Amino acid sequence: EVQLVESGGGLVKPGGSLRLSCAASGFIFNTCTLNWVRQAPGRGLEWVSSISSSGTHIYYAESVKGRFTISRDNAKNSVQLQMNSLRAEDTAVYYCARDPRGAGTGFLDSWGQGILVTVSS
Amino acid sequence: DIQMTQSPSSLSASVGDAVTITCRASQDIGNGLGWYQQKPGKAPERLIYDASSLQSGVPSRFSGSGSGTEFTLTISSLQPEDFAAYYCLQHNRYPLTFGGGTKVEMK
Repeated sequence: EVQLVESGGGLVKPGGSLRLSCAASGFIFNTCTLNWVRQAPGRGLEWVSSISSSGTHIYYAESVKGRFTISRDNAKNSVQLQMNSLRAEDTAVYYCARDPRGAGTGFLDSWGQGILVTVSS
Repeated sequence: DIQMTQSPSSLSASVGDAVTITCRASQDIGNGLGWYQQKPGKAPERLIYDASSLQSGVPSRFSGSGSGTEFTLTISSLQPEDFAAYYCLQHNRYPLTFGGGTKVEMK
C-alpha cells in the first residue's frame, strides 16, 4: 500500500523558515516523481513544486520560486520542501503527492494526509 | 501557463440526480486531465485520469470525457457519499494547474 506521511508543519512568523518532509513507503520510491500541493483555508488546490525521480528535473510555481526549495533523498525514501521568507499567504495545508512516472507531469495518483503550515505573527 | 476554468463553482443536487462538471483549458492539453474528489478535512482522491480512464476502485457512476480544451466529469446517479468538492488538474505540462473547484451540496 502506498503511504505518504508529511511532517514538519507548524506556526512560523512572517519572514521565517520551515522544512517539510514526506516519508514514503509501499512503492519503489526512486522511480517516481514527487510533488507538493497546497490548499489555503477554505480555498482550492494549488500546485507548489515537483522533483523527478533522479532529482534532475525540478519545477516551482511562480508564487514560491526563489523562496522554496524541493529536494529528495532516494536512500531514505523521502522528499523535503525547504520554505524560506514565509508570508501570510503561504498559510495552507501542504500535501505530498506521488506521480508514478519518473519524469512525470502531474499524474498524481496518491496523496499524503497533509500538514498545516501557519504563517502569522 | 495553462488556465483551467471549472464550472459551476457550486451546485445543489439530490440523491439519484445526474451531475455534470466542466473544465475548460486555455490551451490544447490532449487528454492530460485528471479529476479529484475531496471531502472536508481529507486529502484529494483521484477519480479519473487521462480524461476518461476510471481510477481503480472508483464506482462506475463516475465517468470522464473530453479532449483538447473541453472536459466533463459526470456522476450518473448521485449517492450520499458523493457530496464533496471536485477538482480538475491538467497533467499535460508544467506548471501544473487545477480548476477552481466545484462544491456539490445536498439540495
